[in-house]
Amino acid sequence: EAQVTQNPRYLITVTGKKLTVTCSQNMNHEYMSWYRQDPGLGLRQIYYSMNVEVTDKGDVPEGYKVSRKEKRNFPLILESPSPNQTSLYFCASSFLGGPSYEQYFGPGTRLTVT
Amino acid sequence: RKEVEQDPGPFNVPEGATVAFNCTYSNSASQSFFWYRQDCRKEPKLLMSVYSSGNEDGRFTAQLNRASQYISLLIRDSKLSDSATYLCVVNKLSEGQNFVFGPGTRLSVLP
Repeated sequence: EAQVTQNPRYLITVTGKKLTVTCSQNMNHEYMSWYRQDPGLGLRQIYYSMNVEVTDKGDVPEGYKVSRKEKRNFPLILESPSPNQTSLYFCASSFLGGPSYEQYFGPGTRLTVT
Repeated sequence: RKEVEQDPGPFNVPEGATVAFNCTYSNSASQSFFWYRQDCRKEPKLLMSVYSSGNEDGRFTAQLNRASQYISLLIRDSKLSDSATYLCVVNKLSEGQNFVFGPGTRLSVLP
């Protein structure tokens, strides 16, 4: 089954404790992206990647890191989480090469930083 | 001004009604346009892409007006299952692959 998976689905942590949220897709997509969703603000893009070893900042990259060492995986790293990073996070992937790229989203990771 | 703006909603409509959502975008370099649907606490899913000539998929019709930087979504004969948040999305291909989502419009279809 074609899908994007994220782990963990729920995470409660404390300020400053490094964490990683994993994202994996099995559709051989070149493009992967991370978003956060907050009430009243909608989805905002954190980082995206056009291919292996190619990453770029989205609209809200501060406080986050990503890596793309393999095509299927795109982990999101919070080196020192803060309460303002409490949010719902989505990973997404799509093919490149056409005018209408459908993005497939993972189920989301709900992060709470206390 | 936000880069993508939508009707704030919520829209509460009876079953069978026709409802229209509007979306405006500020960046004239935007090249691809989409409507996504998001159910409560779930991931967004593509509803339809929006083409310059307008396109229809069953009860759903999308229109694009590049001159006015405006996108619309029309839902005819609303069903209870249409209740969701509808997200307008634009993509600036000239700047890599940077998708910008609108804040969404919530629709509740009432029996």
